Amino acid sequence: AQSVTQLGSHVSVSEGALVLLRCNYSSSVPPYLFWYVQYPNQGLQLLLKYTSAATLVKGINGFEAEFKKSETSFHLTKPSAHMSDAAEYFCAVSDLYNFNKFYFGSGTKLNVKP
Amino acid sequence: DVKVTQSSRYLVKRTGEKVFLECVQDMDHENMFWYRQDPGLGLRLIYFSYDVKMKEKGDIPEGYSVSREKKERFSLILESASTNQTSMYLCASSLGGEADTQYFGPGTRLTVL
Repeated sequence: AQSVTQLGSHVSVSEGALVLLRCNYSSSVPPYLFWYVQYPNQGLQLLLKYTSAATLVKGINGFEAEFKKSETSFHLTKPSAHMSDAAEYFCAVSDLYNFNKFYFGSGTKLNVKP
Repeated sequence: DVKVTQSSRYLVKRTGEKVFLECVQDMDHENMFWYRQDPGLGLRLIYFSYDVKMKEKGDIPEGYSVSREKKERFSLILESASTNQTSMYLCASSLGGEADTQYFGPGTRLTVL
């Protein structure tokens, strides 16, 4: 089975600072990769997904992620944090044989300080 | 917009009770999923379904069963609830293509006393 590692269960940044949330996956074969966001008391919503079309993927709300095969990484970045970005972020990877089955990381809670 | 609804936001049950969690999607999606979310563990797949009356076990199916009698509805059943099933349960659906986006409901926070 695939696995996903998110380094840092909690990340705190100041408003206007760079956001960097880390995600590494276990597969040697490039899978499909996703970032989801969960705001308090809500379900998850898709931020962006990698499907091999381009290594730099742009998502909603100014987020982007870069797929690096050599590092098996798919880190999420945003140049300037906003208070409304405070949420929990989940990285997910598709199964190698069943692309509709996803494995999620343990999540990173982003705190944005004024 | 895709809408996935779950029958309850909060549920409190007693040990040994039979519990039904209902999920409905309104976009004619082929695939539906049940996850549980626990702090520090992320989301773990319990069961999923590709079609009516079809189901497949996910990574943690023990103690759970599912039912999909209609395309839009996917039910999660706890035959005999136990305290270790206290968790947030999330339902999701996807269209059915390769690695299609999964759309999530708001979740049901289940407490088993």
